Order: sequence, then structure tokens, then C-alpha cells
Amino acid sequence: QAQLVESGGGLVKPGGSLRLTCIASGFTFGDYYMSWIRQAPGKGLEWISYISDSGRKKRYADSVKGRFTISRDNAKKSLYLEMNGLRAEDTAVYYCTRRLEYSSSFYSDYWGQGTLVTVSS
Amino acid sequence: QSVLTQPPSVSGAPGQRVTIACNGSTSNIGAGYDVHWYQQLPGTAPKVLIYGNTNRPSGVPDRFSGSKFGTSASLAISGLQAEDEADYYCQSYDSSLSPVVFGGGTRLTVL
Repeated sequence: QAQLVESGGGLVKPGGSLRLTCIASGFTFGDYYMSWIRQAPGKGLEWISYISDSGRKKRYADSVKGRFTISRDNAKKSLYLEMNGLRAEDTAVYYCTRRLEYSSSFYSDYWGQGTLVTVSS
Repeated sequence: QSVLTQPPSVSGAPGQRVTIACNGSTSNIGAGYDVHWYQQLPGTAPKVLIYGNTNRPSGVPDRFSGSKFGTSASLAISGLQAEDEADYYCQSYDSSLSPVVFGGGTRLTVL
């Protein structure tokens, strides 16, 4: 059974930085695209980034482009999200997900438990 | 504002059938892109409920079904049970905005 475990969340001041980590198990990590999706307190889901299986292709939501960087280490079965220039509106639970392609789109078939990032002075 | 529009809330009595609409546009659902549905129980991570408009992952009861027509999709839940009380999100692809777009979510209350 696939499992994803995020870590690295916490309280950070506006303008600060944080690095999230997601450790995968139960599947061949290097065969899959991966995504980060976040959920602000009491709000809906927002996709923020995905990375290809090789790590060569990356895409970001406009809301985080230029501030966040997604990366992965297939040997360590790990996905990362480097977050810089954090703002209050980045406060959210951040989920690591495995991305599956289906016909004309893709979806997340496995989700981690999430890690909370709070941006506040 | 979410790219996909869902009603904020729906409700139904145990045993009843409810539907949740997901309205899109010609750049996402109407362009033929698939719709996926997630269920988020209170305090937990979302889980996929329906993928590719109509398909259920193993373990999802057949009380849950999905459909798509034109620029809209719909999730139907029949034989409502107390444990179905959750938030439900639709998701698709948008050719002009983002590779992943979500609806704003619908809270289902079982009366």
C-alpha cells in the first residue's frame, strides 16, 4: 500500500523560508509524477506544483511561481518543496500527492496526511 | 473564486439520494477533460472517490457514482449514510488556466 508522509511544516515569519519533505513508501517512487496541493484553514484545495518522474519537468501555480521550488530525490524516495518569501496567504496544510494520468487529465490517487505551515509575525 | 463551481452545501436524510454539481466552462470540462471527485472526511486528507468521470477506485461503494455532460459534471450519492458526511471536491484540467483546477467544495450534511 502506497504511503506518503510529509514533514517540515511549522511557524515562520513573513518573508521567511521553509522546506517541506515528503517520504514515499509502498510503490516505485521514481515511476510517478508527484504534486503538492495545499488547503488554507477552512478553505478548499489549491494545486501548487507538480514534478515529473525524472524531475526534469516542473510546473507551478501562478500564486507560488518564483517563490516555491519543487524537487525530488528518487534514490531517497523523497519529494521536496522549498518555500521562500512566505506570505500570510501561504498559511495552509500542504499535502504531498501521487499523480496519476487518466485519459485527458490527471488526478491524485494517494495523499499524505499533510503538514501545517503557518506564516505569521 | 474557483474555476469549477460547486454548491457550498447539500443535505439529505439517511437513505436518500443527493447530487452535487460541478459546473465548468469550455476551457475545462466542456473541452472534454475528465472530472475527478474527492471526499474529505473531517480532519483527514482528501481521498479519490471517482476518477475519469465515472470510475470508482476499489473499495469505494457503488452508492457513489459520477457523470459528465457538456460543461458540467455531477456526483451522486444514493442510500445516504451518516459516514458520508464530508466535504466533496471536483477537479479537472483547464487548458487556459492551470493543469489542475478544483471546485470550491461542497459540504454534505446527513440530517
